[in-house]
Amino acid sequence: AQSVAQPEDQVNVAEGNPLTVKCTYSVSGNPYLFWYVQYPNRGLQFLLKYITGDNLVKGSYGFEAEFNKSQTSFHLKKPSALVSDSALYFCAVRDSNQAGTALIFGKGTTLSVSS
Amino acid sequence: GAVVSQHPSRVICKSGTSVKIECRSLDFQATTMFWYRQFPKQSLMLMATSNEGSKATYEQGVEKDKFLINHASLTLSTLTVTSAHPEDSSFYICSARASGNKYNSPLHFGNGTRLTVT
Repeated sequence: AQSVAQPEDQVNVAEGNPLTVKCTYSVSGNPYLFWYVQYPNRGLQFLLKYITGDNLVKGSYGFEAEFNKSQTSFHLKKPSALVSDSALYFCAVRDSNQAGTALIFGKGTTLSVSS
Repeated sequence: GAVVSQHPSRVICKSGTSVKIECRSLDFQATTMFWYRQFPKQSLMLMATSNEGSKATYEQGVEKDKFLINHASLTLSTLTVTSAHPEDSSFYICSARASGNKYNSPLHFGNGTRLTVT
């Protein structure tokens, strides 16, 4: 079965500092991994994805994520946080062996960036 | 591109009534749409997969007679919450994948519908 774990309910960082939001996954095949951001009472916005190739993936708004197969992780990172980055972040996975299925989401991590 | 419009954004209804939520892909055709439900401070839980022209596939534990899904065209899927009760109050989000897109493509999400049943 597919699953995603986001071990932190909340991450607090000061503006200008680097941020990391953690994600680990479990799939039977190769993973298709995604990060989404959600602002209050809104849908999800796509940030970036890993399908294959380079382990470091760059996405929207200066975010990047590193795929680590041995650790089954896909942590989201940003070198310098902005207050406007404060939101709810979801990691999601789809198993390549189960094409056509929906994404499975982690529980979400609230990022709070203080000025 | 790839805009998904969800309507209404908020709805308040009385217990026992039914509510219909629409999900439209505005600039692409979506063979498959997914309906998620999100509880406060919790993740998105997949409710059902909606396929154009066929019956929806419901996740375990989701009552298909309560949450009616219709995907009559390539740009519209509807979720009807029948005989709503307060415990149905939640944030419902639809998502869509463009027809022909590879399965590793991201899903496009609507802005969600906040349902409150009084």
